[in-house]
Amino acid sequence: KQEVTQIPAALSVPEGENLVLNCSFTDSAIYNLQWFRQDPGKGLTSLLLIQSSQREQTSGRLNASLDKSSGRSTLYIAASQPGDSATYLCAVIKSGSARQLTFGSGTQLTVLP
Amino acid sequence: NAGVTQTPKFRVLKTGQSMTLLCAQDMNHEYMYWYRQDPGMGLRLIHYSVGEGTTAKGEVPDGYNVSRLKKQNFLLGLESAAPSQTSVYFCASTTGGALGTEAFFGQGTRLTVV
Repeated sequence: KQEVTQIPAALSVPEGENLVLNCSFTDSAIYNLQWFRQDPGKGLTSLLLIQSSQREQTSGRLNASLDKSSGRSTLYIAASQPGDSATYLCAVIKSGSARQLTFGSGTQLTVLP
Repeated sequence: NAGVTQTPKFRVLKTGQSMTLLCAQDMNHEYMYWYRQDPGMGLRLIHYSVGEGTTAKGEVPDGYNVSRLKKQNFLLGLESAAPSQTSVYFCASTTGGALGTEAFFGQGTRLTVV
């Protein structure tokens, strides 16, 4: 069974810092990995999708990397802002599945002004 | 550009009552999913569908039923609600193509069973 772990569970940083969120998964046979953002009481907003053949994706201040062989992904946030405060979730889709997402428990990020 | 829309957004039920949650997507996606999100448990898959007229069980299907009569709609039913079904429910969809594709989520339905 695919298991996805996100460390740390919570992170607090001052505004302007660069930071890295970690995601690890136990089964490297995946179609893709997707990072989401969730604000309190809201739905999931897709941030970045990395297909299994890719090693990284970038969108603005966000950069996500994927190392399938080691079962790891990182989400790098540059020059953090208070508006980045949210819970960040990673999810993987296992090869051969009906594209089901398996989620980590998330990292709750607080960026202090 | 609506994406994935869930109805209703909030609901309070009494134990034993029934209800149906509606998920509608306008992206012509083949695959649709229902997840529940609980504190400390993360998001868990309830049921899913790989196309019109198909449904399958996920990780936590007990107490729920689903139907996919039209490609754009995926319904989640609770026949006899229990307090353990108090949760936030999310619907998602994806194209389900050969390559990994992006999943899109609705805004959630917050259900309380008293």
